[in-house]
Amino acid sequence: NAGVTQTPKFRILKIGQSMTLQCTQDMNHNYMYWYRQDPGMGLKLIYYSVGAGITDKGEVPNGYNVSRSTTEDFPLRLELAAPSQTSVYFCASSYSWTGGELFFGEGSRLTVL
Amino acid sequence: GNSVTQMEGPVTLSEEAFLTINCTYTATGYPSLFWYVQYPGEGLQLLLKATKADDKGSNKGFEATYRKETTSFHLEKGSVQVSDSAVYFCALSDQGYGGSQGNLIFGKGTKLSVKP
Repeated sequence: NAGVTQTPKFRILKIGQSMTLQCTQDMNHNYMYWYRQDPGMGLKLIYYSVGAGITDKGEVPNGYNVSRSTTEDFPLRLELAAPSQTSVYFCASSYSWTGGELFFGEGSRLTVL
Repeated sequence: GNSVTQMEGPVTLSEEAFLTINCTYTATGYPSLFWYVQYPGEGLQLLLKATKADDKGSNKGFEATYRKETTSFHLEKGSVQVSDSAVYFCALSDQGYGGSQGNLIFGKGTKLSVKP
């Protein structure tokens, strides 16, 4: 019963390095999302996708890129990591746009030093 | 624009105490309302929801009633347990709304700690 799986769970990066956070879901959901969670700030949407091949920017897309080549996978790419990208990242998916029930992964804690 | 405001935490209660976490919203149209819960070290999961005015969502002893007249969706539980310690997020979905906020707008979260 996998649901939404994110890797890695923890990562430390140096300033200027790049990395990809992986996200895969096995529920055949069309909609997928990447959020970042900063202490006391709730969740901010980075990017989302409404289906394979279709992505769109959220509130805080700068410094990130995404792709959606399959229904299952929605990787998040960080280029030229900066300390401001230190955060906990959550991938989520949903069956519909309006139903409101998102299924979240366990999160990836990223520290940029 | 659409927004959700929830009471700031942290909230610390003794076991078996009554819990209220306030949530108010601003939205165009007729949104659906949600409470999500995040246990330590985990992702968020849906706790309950209500899709129209006067609906009551309930789950695991928690309840919230969709009050259109006061634009509120307060979370309540009659007797909290240590296992309820978590962060609680109020959220709204304004059907058809899209753009940079996506389909679900979250409040900032309220941390609840329950002491034995």
